Amino acid sequence: QQQVKQSPQSLIVQKGGISIINCAYENTAFDYFPWYQQFPGKGPALLIAIRPDVSEKKEGRFTISFNKSAKQFSLHIMDSQPGDSATYFCAASRGSNYQLIWGAGTKLIIKP
Amino acid sequence: DAGVIQSPRHEVTEMGQEVTLRCKPISGHDYLFWYRQTMMRGLELLIYFNNNVPIDDSGMPEDRFSAKMPNASFSTLKIQPSEPRDSAVYFCASSLGRFLQFFGPGTRLTVL
Repeated sequence: QQQVKQSPQSLIVQKGGISIINCAYENTAFDYFPWYQQFPGKGPALLIAIRPDVSEKKEGRFTISFNKSAKQFSLHIMDSQPGDSATYFCAASRGSNYQLIWGAGTKLIIKP
Repeated sequence: DAGVIQSPRHEVTEMGQEVTLRCKPISGHDYLFWYRQTMMRGLELLIYFNNNVPIDDSGMPEDRFSAKMPNASFSTLKIQPSEPRDSAVYFCASSLGRFLQFFGPGTRLTVL
């Protein structure tokens, strides 16, 4: 119930392509879904986040798509660039509980 | 703004020694989180504080681990005695309210 399942574990995309990372959850009480980006040797940094009252949120080349009925959300990176190569984590939390439930992470490599 | 500050950045110690990791959160933030990251287990929340008070320490793996937050600008995570399986990157994060956790650069701990 508390898990967030993230896939794929790793992903290789050509420069200019679309990178798609998926996450699924079971707990319908989750109401906040952030994505974090982590570069080697650095801490995770918030990339983009969504609440379940919207189906999509876009910030530049990064888009979160949210499917409440399927209990799934995904990160799309358009026109992927080598600088996007990093590990991406999805997460979820609910209500007044400040604990983020983290996905296992996806290592993304963008080939030039 | 300095961001979350962690020290040391790297620590190498021998099994059985005491290890103390330090964190200075972002000024004005009221939540502080300690995480551990390993290849095998991913990102794990160890403990978090609200206004210097520990709220949830259910992620602390054993009694060998302890954390304190004596004031709003300082926290420590102590491992005594340390074991090789404690080798990991330890992150401190802080937030103002629920939604945005800022991570520090991490402390890479190696226990020989």
